[in-house]
Amino acid sequence: AQSVTQLDSHVSVSEGTPVLLRCNYSSSYSPSLFWYVQHPNKGLQLLLKYTSAATLVKGINGFEAEFKKSETSFHLTKPSAHMSDAAEYFCVVSSPLSGGYNKLIFGAGTRLAVHP
Amino acid sequence: DGGITQSPKYLFRKEGQNVTLSCEQNLNHDAMYWYRQDPGQGLRLIYYSQIVNDFQKGDIAEGYSVSREKKESFPLTVTSAQKNPTAFYLCASSILGLSMNTEAFFGQGTRLTVV
Repeated sequence: AQSVTQLDSHVSVSEGTPVLLRCNYSSSYSPSLFWYVQHPNKGLQLLLKYTSAATLVKGINGFEAEFKKSETSFHLTKPSAHMSDAAEYFCVVSSPLSGGYNKLIFGAGTRLAVHP
Repeated sequence: DGGITQSPKYLFRKEGQNVTLSCEQNLNHDAMYWYRQDPGQGLRLIYYSQIVNDFQKGDIAEGYSVSREKKESFPLTVTSAQKNPTAFYLCASSILGLSMNTEAFFGQGTRLTVV
């Protein structure tokens, strides 16, 4: 069965410092992996996705993630945090449904706080 | 603008009442999904529909019902059988069913509170 584990429920950084949000996945085959961001009381927005092409994936707003099969990880990084990055981040893996399609399995989320 | 519209944004329900959450999309997507979000638990799949007039139970379908009479619309009814309905509900859609290269687009959510 597919699953994701987000290793930190809360991360706090200072503005201008690097961001690292950690995600490990479990999958019985080559997975599709995603990072979504959610601002308070809002829907989710896709940051980036890995679909077995390049292992280093670049997303919106300066975020990127590296797929490491040997470590079963898909950590999200950003070189320099901005106040507007404060939000909740979800690591997501795609899992098979009936009919040949997939569903999304979400991690529990990491809340990122950015301090001035 | 193309997107997914959920209404209402906030909804209050009395014990024993059924309530219906609206989800409309103008993205021409075939597949639509309902997720429930609770603090610290991520999102869990309630129901999904890959085509009009067809829908399937997700992981936590008990106490919920859906319909898919139109491609654009996928309303969710929270029935009185749902023992703990207070949560944030998110509707999503995708071009077809999700595959390796497709992603889901989300609405802004409905926060349901039982009073």
